[in-house]
Amino acid sequence: GAGVSQTPSNKVTEKGKYVELRCDPISGHTALYWYRQSLGQGPEFLIYFQGTGAADDSGLPNDRFFAVRPEGSVSTLKIQRTERGDSAVYLCASSLTSGGQFFGPGTRLTVL
Amino acid sequence: GQQLNQSPQSMFIQEGEDVSMNCTSSSIFNTWLWYKQEPGEGPVLLIALYKAGELTSNGRLTAQFGITRKDSFLNISASIPSDVGIYFCAGQGGSEKLVFGKGTKLTVNP
Repeated sequence: GAGVSQTPSNKVTEKGKYVELRCDPISGHTALYWYRQSLGQGPEFLIYFQGTGAADDSGLPNDRFFAVRPEGSVSTLKIQRTERGDSAVYLCASSLTSGGQFFGPGTRLTVL
Repeated sequence: GQQLNQSPQSMFIQEGEDVSMNCTSSSIFNTWLWYKQEPGEGPVLLIALYKAGELTSNGRLTAQFGITRKDSFLNISASIPSDVGIYFCAGQGGSEKLVFGKGTKLTVNP
């Protein structure tokens, strides 16, 4: 069956630009998560959706970061006024209401 | 905030050897998970542990949820070249978010 998919796989942008990263979760998974992984580190939590609502956004680093999941399936992570420090791999995961989280391949974001 | 200490940071072993890595936390977790990540890929779930003291196997992999709920270990028996990768532990406490360790990089020499 299809796993979590993320697009684009790579994104190169210039400092100050706006980017959108997309996540398609496993069909039927109600929970969706975004994490960010820097080189040599483990993933760090950003935000968690249960259905359409953001149940926990405590990991978003500042108000330049925003995520939506309008129909309870696909989610988009939006980053405004990108900075070089935003460069990382952005990972999406999904799960049933509880249990193990299954990750997508990630989007590698590079801010020049 | 919660932090996980994962050790060792890296391991270089010969094919056929057994491997052991562990994770400790300053906080109690309700769930421990172990993931493997290969270059350019997302983490792949290996084993999930939901109960203190639980010992679970998945093929050549065995993991345990520490009785104090502050630690977990992962063992790999009879390692093979495709075991190469970075292994992450992750803990889940009172919320749904996962807290990850920094990973153990495993290299297997054939």
